[in-house]
Amino acid sequence: QSALTQPPSASGSPGQSVTISCTGTSSDIGAYDYVSWYQQHPGKAPKLMIFEVRKRPSGVPNRFSGSKSGNTASLTVSGLQAEDESDYYCSSYAGSNRLIFGGGTKLTVL
Amino acid sequence: EVQLVQSGAEVKKPGESLKISCEGSGYMFTNFWIAWVRQMPGKGLEWMGIIYPRDSDTRYSPSSQGQVTISADKSLNTAYLQWGSLKASDTAMYFCARVSIMISGVPATFDIWGQGTMVTVSS
Repeated sequence: QSALTQPPSASGSPGQSVTISCTGTSSDIGAYDYVSWYQQHPGKAPKLMIFEVRKRPSGVPNRFSGSKSGNTASLTVSGLQAEDESDYYCSSYAGSNRLIFGGGTKLTVL
Repeated sequence: EVQLVQSGAEVKKPGESLKISCEGSGYMFTNFWIAWVRQMPGKGLEWMGIIYPRDSDTRYSPSSQGQVTISADKSLNTAYLQWGSLKASDTAMYFCARVSIMISGVPATFDIWGQGTMVTVSS
């Protein structure tokens, strides 16, 4: 099953906003509102940051927001902080017994 | 505190068998599906399969079917992932995760994750 496409890297300075894209097809992101985003620090477990495109679990700062347009989902981190430096993965339900992930984006806080 | 705690790192030889575990606490273990997710070195995430501890209903991703076995012991609040004959290509970090959203028998969202179990298969 094809992975969702994420940019390998993204960066921004403290206080700035950064948006990470996640591109799929009309069979996955374009068809369903079941996009999730996970943050993974090196050597640690992933942490759920966004689910169902734009919903935040309790405890996740409102600096993190999600959106979707057509076949592309996006994660925006506003007011960048040093601790936001991490890998970020998107996922989407894709029907027919499929859940697919993106290849991950390394976010660097300059 | 809701948490999943996994068993420790393993180093095995090709052809050996292995069973790793994931114990849940802080919530009703039998009310949520548990998934196993693989992360090969330097790579992304792939879900392998899920189990519903209440009745041990198990589903596998197409790529994992026949490669691993997922089981659970609800009396111990523990899920397991096992291999009958390991290969070098099984070298990876394995995470268990609680499924918070299921769509038509497929996990869509994982809200709680274990700390991971590193499995190294090398001769």
